[in-house]
Amino acid sequence: DARVTQTPRHKVTEMGQEVTMRCQPILGHNTVFWYRQTMMQGLELLAYFRNRAPLDDSGMPKDRFSAEMPDATLATLKIQPSEPRDSAVYFCASGNADQPQHFGDGTRLSIL
Amino acid sequence: QKEVEQNSGPLSVPEGAIASLNCTYSDRGSQSFFWYRQYSGKSPELIMFIYSNGDKEDGRFTAQLNKASQYVSLLIRDSQPSDSATYLCAVRVPGGYQKVTFGTGTKLQVIP
Repeated sequence: DARVTQTPRHKVTEMGQEVTMRCQPILGHNTVFWYRQTMMQGLELLAYFRNRAPLDDSGMPKDRFSAEMPDATLATLKIQPSEPRDSAVYFCASGNADQPQHFGDGTRLSIL
Repeated sequence: QKEVEQNSGPLSVPEGAIASLNCTYSDRGSQSFFWYRQYSGKSPELIMFIYSNGDKEDGRFTAQLNKASQYVSLLIRDSQPSDSATYLCAVRVPGGYQKVTFGTGTKLQVIP
């Protein structure tokens, strides 16, 4: 089964540090989404890309978050500097024109 | 009004019963609807999608769509303890390419 692959699965770091999360979408999927999930807010869309071009990043705090797709097989989400309130599970999902989104296993991020 | 609304639950049903999960949405132009299942500590997993009014069945799962009333539901027949999870309703945003809006989810508990 094709899967969305996310790394790392877990990350614990101190506030102020840079955090980079990576995502390999399913081969052939041209749309990639980044979500954040917390108990309080649920699943929030941070940004998404189509054919590597950013379509919408309005859900992302611009001062500290950045999302890129250097190539079709890699999407990255960076937080710099990180803050305790960024602690959450970050999911990547990919899809195609006629394909629903499929999620990766997520990165569980803890900022101390 | 939230774009996608679900009762947070928990919805408790006895094993073997039918579980009925409901979702309403606000944008009449919405065309595509999805149900994801999320076990605690895991990522959302797509279980059903429906695009046309009426019912769509897949095994023990039936998705029902009523665009006139702007609701979509998920029925789980012969509920099993392994069905205990949070069920997320997602609605594709008109004009947002593949962007979807998620509800906050309904927690289902199947009692043995």
